[in-house]
Amino acid sequence: NAGVTQTPKFQVLKTGQSMTLQCAQDMNHEYMSWYRQDPGMGLRLIHYSVGAGITDQGEVPNGYNVSRSTTEDFPLRLLSAAPSQTSVYFCASSDSGRRTQYFGPGTRLLVL
Amino acid sequence: SQELEQSPQSLIVQEGKNLTINCTSSKTLYGLYWYKQKYGEGLIFLMMLQKGGEEKSHEKITAKLDEKKQQSSLHITASQPSHAGIYLCGAVLYSGGGADGLTFGKGTHLIIQP
Repeated sequence: NAGVTQTPKFQVLKTGQSMTLQCAQDMNHEYMSWYRQDPGMGLRLIHYSVGAGITDQGEVPNGYNVSRSTTEDFPLRLLSAAPSQTSVYFCASSDSGRRTQYFGPGTRLLVL
Repeated sequence: SQELEQSPQSLIVQEGKNLTINCTSSKTLYGLYWYKQKYGEGLIFLMMLQKGGEEKSHEKITAKLDEKKQQSSLHITASQPSHAGIYLCGAVLYSGGGADGLTFGKGTHLIIQP
């Protein structure tokens, strides 16, 4: 199993550009989440999904969209990137028992 | 205010020494997770505590949960360079919640001096 994979590893955007951060897991996990990690702020939950077709907002959802068309994939979309979205983004997944959460390696995003 | 406070924020320890990291919640804990993150990498799950008084160990790392104090501690015995990194606690702060939507502390940066 590859676990949780994220692409790209690093991305530079200009303000106003859009992009999609990809996340995939091959563990057949129902639960998937997106977090952002910022210095001095820790990890904050952006959006999460409890299964295909179901998504909900976390603590800091503004400026981000998600969808969950399959169990495996949970992409995060930035419609119009802003410098405040410069961060490291982590995707994670959990099984139905929700006792363990596995994290991907992260995507480092720089918005100029 | 921060719902989950970690202390200390950073820690420099000589190799071979013991150390403790604390995680205190302002709300009732329904589960407490410890993760380790190496700089520039993802989070690695260490252990999860759910019941008051629960204690778990993995190699030289022991974590305890004090439900009454709404606090967890992570203790490393005889620290090694491989223990260096950022330790994060993540909490389930509502009944019925699970690992999918944790509230995290800001992390403790651990440096091991040879």
